Amino acid sequence: KNEVEQSPQNLTAQEGEFITINCSYSVGISALHWLQQHPGGGIVSLFMLSSGKKKHGRLIATINIQEKHSSLHITASHPRDSAVYICAVRYNTDKLIFGTGTRLQVFP
Amino acid sequence: KAGVTQTPRYLIKTRGQQVTLSCSPISGHRSVSWYQQTPGQGLQFLFEYFSETQRNKGNFPGRFSGRQFSNSRSEMNVSTLELGDSALYLCASSLDAGRYNEQFFGPGTRLTVL
Repeated sequence: KNEVEQSPQNLTAQEGEFITINCSYSVGISALHWLQQHPGGGIVSLFMLSSGKKKHGRLIATINIQEKHSSLHITASHPRDSAVYICAVRYNTDKLIFGTGTRLQVFP
Repeated sequence: KAGVTQTPRYLIKTRGQQVTLSCSPISGHRSVSWYQQTPGQGLQFLFEYFSETQRNKGNFPGRFSGRQFSNSRSEMNVSTLELGDSALYLCASSLDAGRYNEQFFGPGTRLTVL
């Protein structure tokens, strides 16, 4: 069983829709990362958070430490948001443990 | 500032050979981590180097090794290649070691083992 669970695995949306991707983890963590990977393979770090909420443009990331859960929201989605979104957590070992990713496709 | 660079970008090898991949971190970054990405296993942590010392290691066989130089550039080596080593190998750099440092990823090296 993966220590980091993401849902959904696949997501399709129409341009303009509000999107939510969820991430759950099993024990206390020191930090959680949201990453974006485009088809070419390159990974971009979107957020790193250990508490609360962060916003960057149309992207919002939240984390609930008590519930061991994080969400990534995309407002007013656009076809260029199509990518794989990966949640990764750092437990006490400092190693990054990755979720299996959510493949998002946004259609015009 | 230039981003993380990895060379080569693509590589084809045959079983039993060895391979060396290179990663140049963002200028000023002292920590480099390596990851393997495969369709079956997803992204997995290989190792982390900081100030020329291996700070952390993932669950990979001893055929996978790495090192970091005094200029923070890092190399990883895979000996006696197996078909299952075919993967995208990503490196990421961060300013410092430790859990609260944001990582910046390179474009990856796609290794195919025939």
